[in-house]
Amino acid sequence: DTAVSQTPKYLVTQMGNDKSIKCEQNLGHDTMYWYKQDSKKFLKIMFSYNNKELIINETVPNRFSPKSPDKAHLNLHINSLELGDSAVYFCASSQGVRGPYFGPGTRLLVL
Amino acid sequence: GESVGLHLPTLSVQEGDNSIINCAYSNSASDYFIWYKQESGKGPQFIIDIRSNMDKRQGQRVTVLLNKTVKHLSLQIAATQPGDSAVYFCAENGAGNNRKLIWGLGTSLAVNP
Repeated sequence: DTAVSQTPKYLVTQMGNDKSIKCEQNLGHDTMYWYKQDSKKFLKIMFSYNNKELIINETVPNRFSPKSPDKAHLNLHINSLELGDSAVYFCASSQGVRGPYFGPGTRLLVL
Repeated sequence: GESVGLHLPTLSVQEGDNSIINCAYSNSASDYFIWYKQESGKGPQFIIDIRSNMDKRQGQRVTVLLNKTVKHLSLQIAATQPGDSAVYFCAENGAGNNRKLIWGLGTSLAVNP
């Protein structure tokens, strides 16, 4: 019954590694997002896709590459992880004018 | 950018009291506003929204008030319960772009039994 799901929930990795986070929504929404939340709870949008098409691409290092194989999935691949990438990454989806529904988050710790 | 140097505002209330969480929004062109609740270890959860053609909207135990003159949004929680302890975020759609919300910094609500 989970509306927006993400895997993994926790990710601990070494600097320089490449990792991926997966997201799926079963709400039938057209728009999906990736957000980053830092240790002070500040939420910042990274990317948004509408029907598999990239529509928002904020100032994010190009080490971050989103991929949307279909409108129900939006994955995030991160190359050459850095210490500053440590954060909670939230996937979300929305339809029309309503605010987004968020997933449970992926807690990334780069050592 | 990052919220470096800023601390999350905290509101502490007694169980059973009413809570009021305030938010000053930035863009006078925003016409859609949302409140979210984020409990520890979870994602933000939609609580209530309001469009700019309204100044008040009520949900279950929650009321959102919008004052466009001073660009102020508030969330009132009636009879606050321990389960209301969370960080609350306001968001605005900024110039009518519903896909790119502008988020407030959040307010931490602590409910004392």
